[in-house]
Amino acid sequence: RKEVEQDPGPFNVPEGATVAFNCTYSNSASQSFFWYRQDCRKEPKLLMSVYSSGNEDGRFTAQLNRASQYISLLIRDSKLSDSATYLCVVNSGNQFYFGTGTSLTVIP
Amino acid sequence: DGGITQSPKYLFRKEGQNVTLSCEQNLNHDAMYWYRQDPGQGLRLIYYSQIVNDFQKGDIAEGYSVSREKKESFPLTVTSAQKNPTAFYLCASSIDRSRGRGYTFGSGTRLTVV
Repeated sequence: RKEVEQDPGPFNVPEGATVAFNCTYSNSASQSFFWYRQDCRKEPKLLMSVYSSGNEDGRFTAQLNRASQYISLLIRDSKLSDSATYLCVVNSGNQFYFGTGTSLTVIP
Repeated sequence: DGGITQSPKYLFRKEGQNVTLSCEQNLNHDAMYWYRQDPGQGLRLIYYSQIVNDFQKGDIAEGYSVSREKKESFPLTVTSAQKNPTAFYLCASSIDRSRGRGYTFGSGTRLTVV
């Protein structure tokens, strides 16, 4: 079983839509969680950390469900510029584990 | 401005040739990492280093070698023993591997075997 699993998509949504991605992790002792954004042929960039109580940054909301071992990312009012691949990252002990990424395309 | 610099951006390697990818950071980060990204497979850890003169194998270290002689530098050599080296290589650093504060990535090197 993979450490981190994501639905690869693709998700194609119209501008203004709300879209949510989930990511499950296998190690219940995982300590830190992140969402990264990766544009085509570019390096991943940190979008936001995921805190136990959930956290919001503008149109983006991240949540952690330790009981079910998943993290989620909600994007409200999607913009064309949100089109990218979103990677979830889980830190367990001394190791970071990356999901394969979920592809999002926002359509005009 | 602080950051991570990878070079070259594009690299072409002939069969049987060793090549070295450069990674330099001025963030004063202790930990540095090398990942390989293939389509549909996400990032896979090649090597990591938590401190100067120390490094550990990741999940796919075979055919690769690294050194960490300076805190700022963590070059990766792709040897001829790596049978399928064509990929996007990403270097990253973090303040401390155990604190889970997330990575800063370099802009990557695309390696192609010709």
